[in-house]
Amino acid sequence: DSGVTQTPKHLITATGQRVTLRCSPRSGDLSVYWYQQSLDQGLQFLIQYYNGEERAKGNILERFSAQQFPDLHSELNLSSLELGDSALYFCASSGSGELFFGEGSRLTVL
Amino acid sequence: EDQVTQSPEALRLQEGESSSLNCSYTVSGLRGLFWYRQDPGKGPEFLFTLYSAGEEKEKERLKATLTKKESFLHITAPKPEDSATYLCAVQARWSYNQGGKLIFGQGTELSVKP
Repeated sequence: DSGVTQTPKHLITATGQRVTLRCSPRSGDLSVYWYQQSLDQGLQFLIQYYNGEERAKGNILERFSAQQFPDLHSELNLSSLELGDSALYFCASSGSGELFFGEGSRLTVL
Repeated sequence: EDQVTQSPEALRLQEGESSSLNCSYTVSGLRGLFWYRQDPGKGPEFLFTLYSAGEEKEKERLKATLTKKESFLHITAPKPEDSATYLCAVQARWSYNQGGKLIFGQGTELSVKP
């Protein structure tokens, strides 16, 4: 158990819809990262927050947004969903150095 | 651009047959190189961090080494329970806009048969 909690574990929705994925980091970790993993792309960095502020941005689509709240939990919002957004979405947290990953949220867009 | 390439893509071993996985990287100033293990449908599990060329770390049947351009994950006398995808990632020297993100390779899928 990494100490990082993600909900929901599975999500099935239709194209055009909007979903929110939630992440609670390990106790004491200020940084939260979001990654997308699909079969053909591997683990792709989306965005990082540090203590409530956006710190680094990767290949995150404009339809996606994230935020980190004062209690340090984070949410990733995915809107106008397309079939190609189907993937595993991972949250990770770190204090310094290594990242610890949650079990992921599997999103299926039909 | 920071980049990580892992080889082979897949590796099939017999139980007890030792081998190595390769991770080649280019990064604008290495802060750390990381190895993770990932089981199907699960999150990556942290194994090792290496910080400088010549460094080695061991854990059970796994040993990770680092040079200036690549890292190796040596698996000695593997068991079926070592079957998983092994991911290599680099972290660039910290800058405000880089944060602490890891750039991952595509992974090596290891299968160990009894």
